[in-house]
Amino acid sequence: GAVVSQHPSWVICKSGTSVKIECRSLDFQATTMFWYRQFPKQSLMLMATSNEGSKATYEQGVEKDKFLINHASLTLSTLTVTSAHPEDSSFYICSARDQGADSPLHFGNGTRLTVT
Amino acid sequence: AQSVSQHNHHVILSEAASLELGCNYSYGGTVNLFWYVQYPGQHLQLLLKYFSGDPLVKGIKGFEAEFIKSKFSFNLRKPSVQWSDTAEYFCAVRGTGTASKLTFGTGTRLQVTL
Repeated sequence: GAVVSQHPSWVICKSGTSVKIECRSLDFQATTMFWYRQFPKQSLMLMATSNEGSKATYEQGVEKDKFLINHASLTLSTLTVTSAHPEDSSFYICSARDQGADSPLHFGNGTRLTVT
Repeated sequence: AQSVSQHNHHVILSEAASLELGCNYSYGGTVNLFWYVQYPGQHLQLLLKYFSGDPLVKGIKGFEAEFIKSKFSFNLRKPSVQWSDTAEYFCAVRGTGTASKLTFGTGTRLQVTL
């Protein structure tokens, strides 16, 4: 079945540094990928919609200059957390949908980011 | 704006007990509805989905959900839970357009005891 690979699965970085998270669709092409953030004991919150070949669409309240999204190909989207701060520590999950509006989303395993 | 409400945040059941997890949504249009499950240490997986047709949807592992349009609900049920059903369950709603966003509920942690 369709698989979405997310890397790294966990990362620890120092305040002020940047971290890049990759999301790959392994056996299908995804024109749209989604980035979510999950706070402890809270729901998955959509951060942005990543569109291949164009700018990402950010949800209200999400800083586009802080969470840079690049969707350079039909199988890869990246999320870069720039100038990370401890409050950015969270669980980030990407998902991708196979072709067609009726296709379900396939999720990556998530990336646990800890900013010290 | 669309929203999803899951009423039970933490449910503890004994094996063989019946399960019903509540999910209500708010959306001004035609919706697709989903239940996802996240087992400990694993990624989110689709349990079942409703797009149209029979409002009683059967998914994997013996789960089913019923879409009641008048109540804006999509409750998840299983007649007899197993210890391996211990996981976190998320209800989600999406509009029917290609680029429609998926909105999740806050999740319900199910703990099944032996």
